Amino acid sequence: KAGVTQTPRYLIKTRGQQVTLSCSPISGHRSVSWYQQTPGQGLQFLFEYFSETQRNKGNFPGRFSGRQFSNSRSEMNVSTLELGDSALYLCASQWSVGTGRETQYFGPGTRLLVL
Amino acid sequence: AQSVTQPDIHITVSEGASLELRCNYSYGATPYLFWYVQSPGQGLQLLLKYFSGDTLVQGIKGFEAEFKRSQSSFNLRKPSVHWSDAAEYFCAAVKAAGNKLTFGGGTRVLVKP
Repeated sequence: KAGVTQTPRYLIKTRGQQVTLSCSPISGHRSVSWYQQTPGQGLQFLFEYFSETQRNKGNFPGRFSGRQFSNSRSEMNVSTLELGDSALYLCASQWSVGTGRETQYFGPGTRLLVL
Repeated sequence: AQSVTQPDIHITVSEGASLELRCNYSYGATPYLFWYVQSPGQGLQLLLKYFSGDTLVQGIKGFEAEFKRSQSSFNLRKPSVHWSDAAEYFCAAVKAAGNKLTFGGGTRVLVKP
């Protein structure tokens, strides 16, 4: 079974631009979560989508948004990019009945550099 | 506030030596606990997880972890380290009936030949 895939793997943008990252979960998984990883703040939860609905949200500004499609693929968007948005963005998928016991399977990440 | 702490930022260990990585959590109730490993340029791979029951948990790649409620700890161990174990290790926790993982700051492990 194919793992979680994320595209693109690397991205360079300039301040003020917007960016869209894509995540394809493992086949059959219905939940997708997004995390931001930076050297200063570590791994932080952005949001989780399940059945095309946002189920959980972290403490990030409204510039960060996401969505999920009927095939469970998810995208996250960051508008008006700031230098501090440079990070590795990780996507994780799970089957998800929301018990917390399920393993989240992570993709390789998209590395975003904002200049 | 809920938090996970990994006191050691870096650990250097000789190949063949034992390894122990520390993790402490602060939650109202005992959360579910996980250890993940991240190799350079890679995503996170689950090593093991603890929900309840036996406090010694076995994982992949020869790792084990021990849950100690009295110390709010979930330390990861490996009896004999291989050069391929050089990576960053993350402890994480999630509340029951939740999916939001809270991660510790990570411990980077360097393996000396």
